[in-house]
Amino acid sequence: GAVVSQHPSRVICKSGTSVKIECRSLDFQATTMFWYRQFPKQSLMLMATSNEGSKATYEQGVEKDKFLINHASLTLSTLTVTSAHPEDSSFYICSAETPSGVSTGELFFGEGSRLTVL
Amino acid sequence: SQKIEQNSEALNIQEGKTATLTCNYTNYSPAYLQWYRQDPGRGPVFLLLIRENEKEKRKERLKVTFDTTLKQSLFHITASQPADSATYLCALDTGNQFYFGTGTSLTVIP
Repeated sequence: GAVVSQHPSRVICKSGTSVKIECRSLDFQATTMFWYRQFPKQSLMLMATSNEGSKATYEQGVEKDKFLINHASLTLSTLTVTSAHPEDSSFYICSAETPSGVSTGELFFGEGSRLTVL
Repeated sequence: SQKIEQNSEALNIQEGKTATLTCNYTNYSPAYLQWYRQDPGRGPVFLLLIRENEKEKRKERLKVTFDTTLKQSLFHITASQPADSATYLCALDTGNQFYFGTGTSLTVIP
């Protein structure tokens, strides 16, 4: 099946710094990628939909200036958590839509990135 | 408000038995419903997809049912094994968006 790679898997940073997380589709072109946030024992919460070559669409309540998303190519989307604070500590997961379209196939997820802000 | 509920936060069953997980939703009209498996600290992995006009789908030891009248999907794992222990998420695909349930943590006891 399709492979989505996410990097880094774990990152610890100081409060006030920015952190970039990369999401790559390794064997297919993903016009659309999704970014989720997951707190312990809770469901995935969609943060934003990232479309190649255009601005991301953010879910209500997600600060677009705080969580910068760039989808510069068909195989790479990045999420940058700017001026991170301890409350931003979470598990961030990306997923990619296969070329057949999201409504006809499954999502392929990255392995997730555990962010800890000290 | 839109809501997706999975029957319980945790489910323990004996090895060899059938595990049944429930996904109930309100205020959605999903075109598809999907089930994913998530292991601790990992991203979800796709298991099965069922369309709104399908009643049942099977894949090896897995079976999914979808009742759009009851707004419910049941996920069954037959002849369960300890390796089946994980969190299982249901996801509703409305055609434009995916919405995930809270997940059920399944533990299969040897």
